[in-house]
Amino acid sequence: QSALAQPASVSGSPGQSITISCTGTSSDVGSFNSVSWYQQHPGKAPKLIIYDVSSRPSGVSNRFSGSKSGNTASLTISGLQAEDEADYYCSSYTTTRIFGGGTKVTVL
Amino acid sequence: EVNLLESGGGLVQPGGSLRLSCAASGFRFNEHAISWVRQAPGKGLEWVSAISGSGDDTNYADSVKGRFTISRDNSKNTVFVQMNSLRAEDTAVYYCARGFYTKFDVWGQGTLVTVSS
Repeated sequence: QSALAQPASVSGSPGQSITISCTGTSSDVGSFNSVSWYQQHPGKAPKLIIYDVSSRPSGVSNRFSGSKSGNTASLTISGLQAEDEADYYCSSYTTTRIFGGGTKVTVL
Repeated sequence: EVNLLESGGGLVQPGGSLRLSCAASGFRFNEHAISWVRQAPGKGLEWVSAISGSGDDTNYADSVKGRFTISRDNSKNTVFVQMNSLRAEDTAVYYCARGFYTKFDVWGQGTLVTVSS
């Protein structure tokens, strides 16, 4: 099973909005609403920020939002803050689980 | 507090074996699937294996199928992964995480496995 495709890096200035794409196939992202997103700061464990395409766990900022269209899921971070600088991974169910390659978000 | 704690990592020679443990606390352990997810140095996340809450169902990534075996002891709130025939490419931080089908909502701090001669 190939990894989901994510851009290697995305950057933005404080206060701006950025969007990270996660492209799969009709066998994974396109077939299941079990798409989730994870934030990982250097040296730390990943943290769940979006699940079931667009749901947010309790305690996660509403600046994070998710969506899906066809075989592509997206994570949008609005009102970008310095603390958002991290690696972001998408994941989809497909009888197993696959992750995207990860996107490094830089706050300029 | 919900918590997962991995242990058992270390240095092992190619072809060797290692068993990792994941101890859980703060939630009804037998109601949740548990997965292992690994991250090679400087690389992204890779799902490795998962086991259902009852232990009846197991799943493996193709990269470890036939070499890794996942199991759980619900009386001790612990999940294990027995790793055999280890290769250099298995070198990674191994995380256990709660969940499989929908999301990984709780993660441990990870344990480092290094396969090298």
